[in-house]
Amino acid sequence: GAGVSQSPSNKVTEKGKDVELRCDPISGHTALYWYRQSLGQGLEFLIYFQGNSAPDKSGLPSDRFSAERTGGSVSTLTIQRTQQEDSAVYLCASAWDGLTDTQYFGPGTRLTVL
Amino acid sequence: DQQVKQNSPSLSVQEGRISILNCDYTNSMFDYFLWYKKYPAEGPTFLISISSIKDKNEDGRFTVFLNKSAKHLSLHIVPSQPGDSAVYFCAATKPYNQGGKLIFGQGTELSVKP
Repeated sequence: GAGVSQSPSNKVTEKGKDVELRCDPISGHTALYWYRQSLGQGLEFLIYFQGNSAPDKSGLPSDRFSAERTGGSVSTLTIQRTQQEDSAVYLCASAWDGLTDTQYFGPGTRLTVL
Repeated sequence: DQQVKQNSPSLSVQEGRISILNCDYTNSMFDYFLWYKKYPAEGPTFLISISSIKDKNEDGRFTVFLNKSAKHLSLHIVPSQPGDSAVYFCAATKPYNQGGKLIFGQGTELSVKP
């Protein structure tokens, strides 16, 4: 079956612009996570959605970052007024539930802010 | 603060030998640990996990050891194969408190030479 897909695969933008990154999770997965990997760093948790519950936004680095998940499926991560330090690979993962179930990652979106 | 640390950014091993990747954590509340493997331009893929109630979990060539008193875990790959060359991330979580969001280490790049 189809895995987690993300689009675009690469995004180059100018400082100050807004960007939207999309994640299509595996069908039926109720849990969805966003992480990012900056150059030379590990993966950093950003936000977590579980079913219809309020998302866990504790990892978002600033109020320029927001995410939504429509209809319990597709998710969009929005970064407003991008900064150069936002340059990273943004990874989405989904799982059947938000406990110990394996998280399946998409290929990521590489964001470059010039 | 870096709650999960992988202090070796890289490791080189001869094919057929054992690869040992190490990981340390600081938060004693973590109760579930995972290893992910990542190839370039792909998302991480789950490799093996261990619950804090165990000290060893084995799956084929891969074994994870957990030493709770030392807050240390390791991944052993025996025998190592060239296809194992990838970046390995250690991750920890508190699934029943935080919905399974993963706290990752910085990664160790394993190179298995023929």
